[in-house]
Amino acid sequence: GEDVEQSLFLSVREGDSSVINCTYTDSSSTYLYWYKQEPGAGLQLLTYIFSNMDMKQDQRLTVLLNKKDKHLSLRIADTQTGDSAIYFCAEGEYALNFGKGTSLLVTP
Amino acid sequence: DTAVSQTPKYLVTQMGNDKSIKCEQNLGHDTMYWYKQDSKKFLKIMFSYNNKELIINETVPNRFSPKSPDKAHLNLHINSLELGDSAVYFCASSQEGEFKNIQYFGAGTRLSVL
Repeated sequence: GEDVEQSLFLSVREGDSSVINCTYTDSSSTYLYWYKQEPGAGLQLLTYIFSNMDMKQDQRLTVLLNKKDKHLSLRIADTQTGDSAIYFCAEGEYALNFGKGTSLLVTP
Repeated sequence: DTAVSQTPKYLVTQMGNDKSIKCEQNLGHDTMYWYKQDSKKFLKIMFSYNNKELIINETVPNRFSPKSPDKAHLNLHINSLELGDSAVYFCASSQEGEFKNIQYFGAGTRLSVL
């Protein structure tokens, strides 16, 4: 089966940049995704990138895609305490295949 | 005005009971999904329906049966609940066409089987 791998934890200080990394194995996905899950809440689609793109920027978020290495990253600039959440990387057609999530802790 | 809504949000029940979780989307999407998130936050697809037809059915016990009365609804019925069914169940939907598979999720239903 396909695997999506992420590091489990990341701790940053408020105002710093956060970088969450992900590797995947299925190269046929049209899009790759980042979802955010706050404690006790549902999954929020944060951003996505078309598989033919290298980079996508959306306000404080920058997504980088290295298709050759099957590596996806999410950079959050000027990280705030409200960014504390679990971030899931996902790929797939129809059925999304999720990583196990990276818990981001932002400390004041 | 929630796009993908699930009811109930919390469900506590005894082993052996039968329960249903409802999902409705008002986005006009053609495809709906059920995912299960276990206690370690791992998310896995269970089912997918496109225009009321089952298109994905992962290895899920027969006790789980999705029902789609129309393309805006995908309900999940679970028979003979077991302790291991305790999890958060997420409904999602997506649209056919250029942005197919960009999935929008409901808030989840937290099922606790005692």
